[in-house]
Amino acid sequence: GNSVTQMEGPVTLSEEAFLTINCTYTATGYPSLFWYVQYPGEGLQLLLKATKADDKGSNKGFEATYRKETTSFHLEKGSVQVSDSAVYFCALLPGGNTPLVFGKGTRLSVIA
Amino acid sequence: DARVTQTPRHKVTEMGQEVTMRCQPILGHNTVFWYRQTMMQGLELLAYFRNRAPLDDSGMPKDRFSAEMPDATLATLKIQPSEPRDSAVYFCASGPGQGGNTIYFGEGSWLTVV
Repeated sequence: GNSVTQMEGPVTLSEEAFLTINCTYTATGYPSLFWYVQYPGEGLQLLLKATKADDKGSNKGFEATYRKETTSFHLEKGSVQVSDSAVYFCALLPGGNTPLVFGKGTRLSVIA
Repeated sequence: DARVTQTPRHKVTEMGQEVTMRCQPILGHNTVFWYRQTMMQGLELLAYFRNRAPLDDSGMPKDRFSAEMPDATLATLKIQPSEPRDSAVYFCASGPGQGGNTIYFGEGSWLTVV
């Protein structure tokens, strides 16, 4: 079946620290991969995506590379800000008529 | 700026009452999803529609929940009767239905059943 596993949170970092949130997946076929971000009191927003192997998605300083050989899509940012504090969800879209499959989310807190 | 619109944003109701949540998907999107978010379970898919037809509602408690799309611009999620364990944030999302395309979420309906 299709599933997403992401690292347990919460993650607490100081401002300007390097961020990695691990995400691995299990899927049949060739899924598209996504990172969504949820700020407090808001809905989920697309952060970045990659639709095929070796693609790199990037946005707002965040990056993630679709690694088929390790079935991973780790989220990275070189220097986090307090405003990056949020919950981050890794997700895969198996294709066809099946909906997005989400990981459980990782809460990030960045302190000044 | 196209977006998914959900109403109500916040709802407090008493146990046993009927609750209806509404969603207006992005114009032109033919796939609509209902998700529920709780601290314990995270994000759960309740139901989804394509071209207004229900494709899967296996995530929904059938005895009290129902989801419909009366037309292409409106999706509804109804709980009758509501129970305290239904307290959660309910998200509607829509997408263009093509592989690899982005799903867009509404701001959510924050439901508290007392």
